[in-house]
Amino acid sequence: SQQGEEDPQALSIQEGENATMNCSYKTSINNLQWYRQNSGRGLVHLILIRSNEREKHSGRLRVTLDTSKKSSSLLITASRAADTASYFCATAITDSWGKLQFGAGTQVVVTP
Amino acid sequence: GAVVSQHPSWVICKSGTSVKIECRSLDFQATTMFWYRQFPKQSLMLMATSNEGSKATYEQGVEKDKFLINHASLTLSTLTVTSAHPEDSSFYICSAHYYSSYNEQFFGPGTRLTVL
Repeated sequence: SQQGEEDPQALSIQEGENATMNCSYKTSINNLQWYRQNSGRGLVHLILIRSNEREKHSGRLRVTLDTSKKSSSLLITASRAADTASYFCATAITDSWGKLQFGAGTQVVVTP
Repeated sequence: GAVVSQHPSWVICKSGTSVKIECRSLDFQATTMFWYRQFPKQSLMLMATSNEGSKATYEQGVEKDKFLINHASLTLSTLTVTSAHPEDSSFYICSAHYYSSYNEQFFGPGTRLTVL
């Protein structure tokens, strides 16, 4: 079963705007990861945030984690057309070492 | 970063045939690899955990006799779809666990299987 639920399902923005997507989960986790997937391609790991961390940055990406609400958000600032892709959150569930449960994903389209 | 490859990238086969997909970690050893499948416009569903030198652990609802997994070395896991049918058509993605990072997985580029 899918651990994470993401919203929105799809997002369309213009270049330069920020894109925010959210992920909620149900059980205790070791960490939460965000991945990006271009159509028909494999996954690219973007960022990992541990359960004891609240915020993490990587370039134009900002991830937050609220374990009390069991939710995370991914913010892409100053979006570019090349950011067009599907974005997935994945949770590493406590005591299920190594396994990742993926959310449904958010499809992001950035128009020039 | 760590690189994982898959072969083939895509395969088209007739119904009833078996198809083998390889997953290789190119520059690191992976005692644990994972196999996922992804239907169009859907998320990844974990199929099984492949452990080097032991039997794979399958997720609920995944037929182990249908999807044979072999992890014969620290850099290679194979998934064989036996007696493939059109409903097995999907995008199959593997990942390899990289021990230098906490629970970080590196994903292969995926294999698109089309069963006619």
